Amino acid sequence: QVRLVQSGAEVKRPGASVKVSCKASGYTFTNHALHWVRQAPGQRLEWMGWINAGTGNTKYSQNLEGRVTITRDTYASTAYMELSSLRSEDTAVYFCAIAVAGLYSWFDPWGQGTLVTVSS
Amino acid sequence: EIVLTQSPGTLSLSPGERATLSCRASQSLLSNFLAWYQQKPGQAPRLLIYGASSRATGIPDRFSGSGSGTDFTLTISRLEPEDFALYYCQQYGSSLLTFGGGTKVEIK
Repeated sequence: QVRLVQSGAEVKRPGASVKVSCKASGYTFTNHALHWVRQAPGQRLEWMGWINAGTGNTKYSQNLEGRVTITRDTYASTAYMELSSLRSEDTAVYFCAIAVAGLYSWFDPWGQGTLVTVSS
Repeated sequence: EIVLTQSPGTLSLSPGERATLSCRASQSLLSNFLAWYQQKPGQAPRLLIYGASSRATGIPDRFSGSGSGTDFTLTISRLEPEDFALYYCQQYGSSLLTFGGGTKVEIK
């Protein structure tokens, strides 16, 4: 079945960078966009950006523009989200999710989430 | 940015009761591009409804979505114990995707 498996939890210092991976299986990787969404403690879900897994094109939330980079490795069927210049407010669970129908779509399924903690 | 406002923040109900959750958009959604997700503690969101009213694969028919324009509703006809969770709406009608703040359905 279609599945997304993310890398494990990370603890980072303020100012550092983190790179989270999202390995896809059960479908043709290049046929769907992958989105990244984060959820800070007690906060609503926040959309971060997407990558067209076929072309490599990306689009990012303006709130994170300049700090977030989404890439993919088609041979490994894996997408990556790198967030730089980390601050305490970036502490959150980070999810990847498949856009089912086109670039802007509902998400199904989601990865299990990766907790990123930013602390000095 | 399209802002989604969900109400109520918390819904306290008993198993077997009907739950009605609301999601209001700050502007009309293109082609009713609205989805609903369920999230349980420590888990990823699970898709329930897309296109405002289409049930996702494997979702029980006690879940239904309705609405258009700016006002949308998720209805759970008879609450089962496993339905007590957080529910989020999401719009995908604009290039800046946004989520509502969530409604928690708790056991009364």
